[in-house]
Amino acid sequence: ETGVTQSPTHLIKTRGQQVTLRCSSQSGHNTVSWYQQALGQGPQFIFQYYREEENGRGNFPPRFSGLQFPNYSSELNVNALELDDSALYLCASSLAGLAGGTDTQYFGPGTRLTVL
Amino acid sequence: AQSVAQPEDQVNVAEGNPLTVKCTYSVSGNPYLFWYVQYPNRGLQFLLKYITGDNLVKGSYGFEAEFNKSQTSFHLKKPSALVSDSALYFCAVRPLGFQKLVFGTGTRLLVSP
Repeated sequence: ETGVTQSPTHLIKTRGQQVTLRCSSQSGHNTVSWYQQALGQGPQFIFQYYREEENGRGNFPPRFSGLQFPNYSSELNVNALELDDSALYLCASSLAGLAGGTDTQYFGPGTRLTVL
Repeated sequence: AQSVAQPEDQVNVAEGNPLTVKCTYSVSGNPYLFWYVQYPNRGLQFLLKYITGDNLVKGSYGFEAEFNKSQTSFHLKKPSALVSDSALYFCAVRPLGFQKLVFGTGTRLLVSP
């Protein structure tokens, strides 16, 4: 069984640029959630994708967007980067049932984004 | 609004002693509760969860957690701490009907030899 993988591991961008982060879900999982973890804080929910559609969103502006592909992998795109976007971005995959279920989210190692 | 509180920034315990990491939550209805552990430069590793049933939940690496509905708490426990348990621990709640996890701010556990 392959766990959740994320790429790249580290990334340095300048303010105003755009970035794309990638996530491959664990084998058998159909749902991907993205979280932002600022230094010294707990992860904050950005959004979740289920069956290639956004299925819930946290308090993040529209410049944070995402995609889910037919193989359940996912991308997080952030436009017009700001200094405060510097954080660890975590992807989590899970298996959601029709009623939402009691799915456990399994996390990848994260992508460390630094915005200068 | 849903929230999770981890009142201790750091917990210090000697190896071999029991440990407790505290968590309280505020959410409408019956929540799903989780504990995760994070090692340096790593993602979060799932330890255990409470959905329903027995209030004492057993998880990975000898950890367990006790759900107390009246006190809205979900404390993480281990009978005998190991130095390798030193890490950052997060409590999280998934409100019923929502897809997101709401995390606490984390508690750093330091186990001394």
